[in-house]
Amino acid sequence: QVQVVQSGAEVKKPGASVKISCKIVGNIFSNYAFQWVRQAPGQGLEWLGWINAGNGNTKYSQKFQGRITMTSDTSASTAYMEVSSLRSEDTAVYYCAKDRSDAAGAWDYWGQGTPVTVSS
Amino acid sequence: QSALTQPASVSGSPGQSINLTCAGTSSVAGSFHLVSWYQQHPGQAPKLMIYEVNKRPSGVSNRFSGSKSGNTASLTISGLQAEDEADYYCCSYTSSWVFGGGTKLTV
Repeated sequence: QVQVVQSGAEVKKPGASVKISCKIVGNIFSNYAFQWVRQAPGQGLEWLGWINAGNGNTKYSQKFQGRITMTSDTSASTAYMEVSSLRSEDTAVYYCAKDRSDAAGAWDYWGQGTPVTVSS
Repeated sequence: QSALTQPASVSGSPGQSINLTCAGTSSVAGSFHLVSWYQQHPGQAPKLMIYEVNKRPSGVSNRFSGSKSGNTASLTISGLQAEDEADYYCCSYTSSWVFGGGTKLTV
């Protein structure tokens, strides 16, 4: 059974950085790509970017270019996303989701979400 | 203007069939065959319900079906049940992945 497990809640001050982890359990990590999505309180879903766990290729939303870095560690079966220069508007639940390998835009296993609060 | 437009809310009665729509602008037209649908209950992660317009992952009830006509995709839920009450998001590709604003379904 595949599970996607994310790191725990974070509280950060404006201007700081946060690094969130996303570990896959029960499947071959390097076979997949991982999407990162966030949801601000009471708001909809927002796509942040994508990383191919096998070769480390990334694509970021233009909105977050320069502030987001996605990496992967195949030995730990874990993907990471770091968001820098945090501001209050970055307060949200951050999700990672695994791609189906046989379809585009089909994210079939999601982590439980990592709440990030940015407050002075 | 968002590339994908969904009605903010829709309501239905148990047993009914309901249609949730997702209207795409010209920017998604070339990739609208990739539209997917996600269900999200309060406090939970989204769940994949439909991908590539009309494909249903294993484990998803066959009461859920997807279709597309021109630049509008639809998620049809037949035999509405109380547990279907949730937010529903469509998703497609422009130069990056984009979600619709979501529809709150009340049963």
